[in-house]
Amino acid sequence: GENVEQHPSTLSVQEGDSAVIKCTYSDSASNYFPWYKQELGKRPQLIIDIRSNVGEKKDQRIAVTLNKTAKHFSLHITETQPEDSAVYFCAARGGYQKVTFGTGTKLQVIP
Amino acid sequence: KAGVTQTPRYLIKTRGQQVTLSCSPISGHRSVSWYQQTPGQGLQFLFEYFSETQRNKGNFPGRFSGRQFSNSRSEMNVSTLELGDSALYLCASSTDTGNTEAFFGQGTRLTVV
Repeated sequence: GENVEQHPSTLSVQEGDSAVIKCTYSDSASNYFPWYKQELGKRPQLIIDIRSNVGEKKDQRIAVTLNKTAKHFSLHITETQPEDSAVYFCAARGGYQKVTFGTGTKLQVIP
Repeated sequence: KAGVTQTPRYLIKTRGQQVTLSCSPISGHRSVSWYQQTPGQGLQFLFEYFSETQRNKGNFPGRFSGRQFSNSRSEMNVSTLELGDSALYLCASSTDTGNTEAFFGQGTRLTVV
């Protein structure tokens, strides 16, 4: 089955700096890669997703890149703000297969 | 449009008991997935139901089971509870196309004592 590895597990950045979280997946059939943000005590919420026919997608300060050959994808957050502090999960899915999540990255933005 | 609703929000059960959790998806969503979330283990997939049929299953023991009703509401049941079953149980609903956003409920916090 699919295996998703996520790094780093914790990340501290100064406010205004960039943050990068990386994930690798094992199943070449995976073609959908969402990223979820979970604030303390709240439910996970989708912040951005990318499909395998696209190499990069941006939404304001957030961007995701996908390298299908190397089977890895990354989340980039620029100009970080304290409200970006949360746990971020990457995930991978192929067609109607189950969604496999990474183990999460706890991001702390230091004011 | 109402979001995904999970009930109850909190539960305390004793080892050996069984428990049933409920999830009402967003109107029009036919896929419901269940996850177990524990510190350090991330989101572990339990199972997914679509149109009353289990479409995918994770690597959990048979004590964990689920079902989906014709109105897409789903329940999961855990029998013979163990201390290690203490966790936040999240459900997520999505439309019937495979690669679309999943919307999570607020979860049920289960504590087994």
